[in-house]
Amino acid sequence: AQRVTQPEKLLSVFKGAPVELKCNYSYSGSPELFWYVQYSRQRLQLLLRHISRESIKGFTADLNKGETSFHLKKPFAQEEDSAMYYCALSGMVNTGKLIFGQGTTLQVKP
Amino acid sequence: EPEVTQTPSHQVTQMGQEVILRCVPISNHLYFYWYRQILGQKVEFLVSFYNNEISEKSEIFDDQFSVERPDGSNFTLKIRSTKLEDSAMYFCASSDGTGGEKLFFGSGTQLSVL
Repeated sequence: AQRVTQPEKLLSVFKGAPVELKCNYSYSGSPELFWYVQYSRQRLQLLLRHISRESIKGFTADLNKGETSFHLKKPFAQEEDSAMYYCALSGMVNTGKLIFGQGTTLQVKP
Repeated sequence: EPEVTQTPSHQVTQMGQEVILRCVPISNHLYFYWYRQILGQKVEFLVSFYNNEISEKSEIFDDQFSVERPDGSNFTLKIRSTKLEDSAMYFCASSDGTGGEKLFFGSGTQLSVL
């Protein structure tokens, strides 16, 4: 079964601390993995995708096929990073069919 | 920056009534989607639409649901006879199909079925 698991509902850190938002997936083929973010009172938006191997707003995520994980990391959290983060999987490119995790609320305290 | 627009932001309806949720995708996008999120649960895929037809749908998207692109700008989701369990936030999204799964989401319509 295709599934995305984000084990933490809430992650609370202090400004300047490292952040790691965990994501594990279950998929039999070669999935595409994404992180979407929703800031307060804003719409869901793409943060990054594993195929681009990019760093956005200081965040990176590496796909680990052996551990079936796609954890989101940032070395120094900022208050403006506070948001809901969703890990998502797509089994077929360009179908728009994303399977989302439950989401993790990141709270960065001053 | 162009945005996906959804109306209304809130919709309250009685069980058994029909509702139509409206979306205006980004103008040069060709792929359109509906997702929903029941309170406290995951965002779930409902349907994708391309070239005036459904390209994929989930098990949730049964005969009570339909989608339409009635003109060149609107994309609608109709629920024929609403049930209590249809209460959720419904998100419309669109993409140009060239950027992988870079979907642009609307701000959602909160549907409450009483």
